[in-house]
Amino acid sequence: EPEVTQTPSHQVTQMGQEVILRCVPISNHLYFYWYRQILGQKVEFLVSFYNNEISEKSEIFDDQFSVERPDGSNFTLKIRSTKLEDSAMYFCASRTGTGSYEQYFGPGTRLTVT
Amino acid sequence: AQSVTQLGSHVSVSEGALVLLRCNYSSSVPPYLFWYVQYPNQGLQLLLKYTSAATLVKGINGFEAEFKKSETSFHLTKPSAHMSDAAEYFCAVTPYTGTASKLTFGTGTRLQVTL
Repeated sequence: EPEVTQTPSHQVTQMGQEVILRCVPISNHLYFYWYRQILGQKVEFLVSFYNNEISEKSEIFDDQFSVERPDGSNFTLKIRSTKLEDSAMYFCASRTGTGSYEQYFGPGTRLTVT
Repeated sequence: AQSVTQLGSHVSVSEGALVLLRCNYSSSVPPYLFWYVQYPNQGLQLLLKYTSAATLVKGINGFEAEFKKSETSFHLTKPSAHMSDAAEYFCAVTPYTGTASKLTFGTGTRLQVTL
């Protein structure tokens, strides 16, 4: 069964450093998402991406964040200058978009900023 | 705007007992509703979905949920709990708008199953 994959599973970085989180969505899916879950809190929407552009972003998704689909298979989330409060589990999700609204999630990347 | 309220951050049941996890939603437009399960150190797995067809929906692992518009609820049930059901359960809502709609999640309910 196709699944969303994410790398790395765990990333440790120092405050102020740039990180890139990578995702490979399910191959025939058209909509892509990033969510994050700070430890002990609920899953929060960051950004959605369709047709090679951002379709919606939350107030969390400020200028420090960017997304890209560089090669038709990968979907990346970049944080330019990480802060301590960026420490969280980041989930990538995708969906087909053709009359189907369920999103399929990857296993997540745990980002620890020290 | 959409929101989800899950009553009870922790629920404990005995193996074989009924599981009832509560979810109430708020949505300004007709909603699509989902339950996801998260096992320790894993991602979110879709349990079941309501997308305006049948109000009683069945999912994986024996779970089901009923959409009640009058009560704005979408509670998750399972007749008989199994030890393997211990996990965190999230209710989520998205508006049916035909666009790249985000999911809005509740705060989650951790289900503990005891012998």
